[in-house]
Amino acid sequence: DTAVSQTPKYLVTQMGNDKSIKCEQNLGHDTMYWYKQDSKKFLKIMFSYNNKELIINETVPNRFSPKSPDKAHLNLHINSLELGDSAVYFCASSQPSLAGATYNEQFFGPGTRLTVL
Amino acid sequence: AQSVTQLGSHVSVSEGALVLLRCNYSSSVPPYLFWYVQYPNQGLQLLLKYTSAATLVKGINGFEAEFKKSETSFHLTKPSAHMSDAAEYFCAVIPRRGYNKLIFGAGTRLAVHP
Repeated sequence: DTAVSQTPKYLVTQMGNDKSIKCEQNLGHDTMYWYKQDSKKFLKIMFSYNNKELIINETVPNRFSPKSPDKAHLNLHINSLELGDSAVYFCASSQPSLAGATYNEQFFGPGTRLTVL
Repeated sequence: AQSVTQLGSHVSVSEGALVLLRCNYSSSVPPYLFWYVQYPNQGLQLLLKYTSAATLVKGINGFEAEFKKSETSFHLTKPSAHMSDAAEYFCAVIPRRGYNKLIFGAGTRLAVHP
């Protein structure tokens, strides 16, 4: 009955490899997000999708490509992994917040710890 | 640019003591403000939020926070710390409505000792 799930929980890989992290939510939300938490615990948004459409794209290298096959899934593909990509990646979901509407809480997944060697 | 500042990356209190975690924000318009908690090796859980209703907000686990516009602050408090409160706490802001992008502070690690 997990609300937001991510796989894998841990990912260890070599520099230069391509890897994917999957995220699924069963809350019926239209909006999904990816956040990156670095080694100093700093959290920053990377992407946001609303109903499979990209709505937030922060300054993220184009080696990172989110893909949303349907509104319940938002996967993160990373090409040519670098040492600096090592971090914990969190997926989140919420109902969309339309202009002037009340904020809708974001529900976070358990995170995927990526280690690039 | 909108930002969130958490004063003190580490706070240590005794069990039963007052918990005070500080958060200041910069925003040109009234923002939405949040406190999230992250227990070791877990995701983030929403503790409480301010969305322009009452300025004193009560959350889960006995925590509360007060929005003070004049001080641009949203400090988190709990009257009596419990060992289970040991975690990382993040203050976050959404700088304007209809824009669901959370901007996080750097986090404060709360340690509770017997």
